[in-house]
Amino acid sequence: EAQVTQNPRYLITVTGKKLTVTCSQNMNHEYMSWYRQDPGLGLRQIYYSMNVEVTDKGDVPEGYKVSRKEKRNFPLILESPSPNQTSLYFCASSRDSPRYEQYFGPGTRLTVT
Amino acid sequence: AQSVTQLDSQVPVFEEAPVELRCNYSSSVSVYLFWYVQYPNQGLQLLLKYLSGSTLVESINGFEAEFNKSQTSFHLRKPSVHISDTAEYFCAVSDPDSGGYQKVTFGTGTKLQVIP
Repeated sequence: EAQVTQNPRYLITVTGKKLTVTCSQNMNHEYMSWYRQDPGLGLRQIYYSMNVEVTDKGDVPEGYKVSRKEKRNFPLILESPSPNQTSLYFCASSRDSPRYEQYFGPGTRLTVT
Repeated sequence: AQSVTQLDSQVPVFEEAPVELRCNYSSSVSVYLFWYVQYPNQGLQLLLKYLSGSTLVESINGFEAEFNKSQTSFHLRKPSVHISDTAEYFCAVSDPDSGGYQKVTFGTGTKLQVIP
């Protein structure tokens, strides 16, 4: 089954404790992206990657890091989480650019206290 | 920078009535436009998209959207809604003048509530 998986689905952590949210796709897609969803703000793009070792900033990259060492994986790293990063995070992938359908993961709900 | 405006945060409508969800985007020479739907507790799914060609695009479940370049709009319509259409709908734009076609900007979403 074609899918995007994210882990963990739920995470509660404390300020400053480094964490990683994993994202993996099994569709051999070149394009992957991370979004955060907040009430009243919709989805905002954090980072995207056009291929292995090629990443770029979206609209809200501050406080986040990403890496793309393998085509299928695109982890999101929060080196020192803060309460304003409490949000619902989505990973997505598409064939080679977002003009093709983006397939979204189920989401990761992160709470930083 | 590209932007998308969805003026209506919530739209209640009775079952079998028509609905229009509005979307306006910041102007550019050429853009890609999308509507995504999010059912409760799920990720987003593509509903329909405009890349080029015919300005009227349709989805398999009866929704349609019309690209209007002069009004910079991409409103979503359905002539008769069903209970199962209850969801949040997001308009999105990809603009070559803002980070190329690799960046996508989403609107704030419109919650469609279908009333039995």
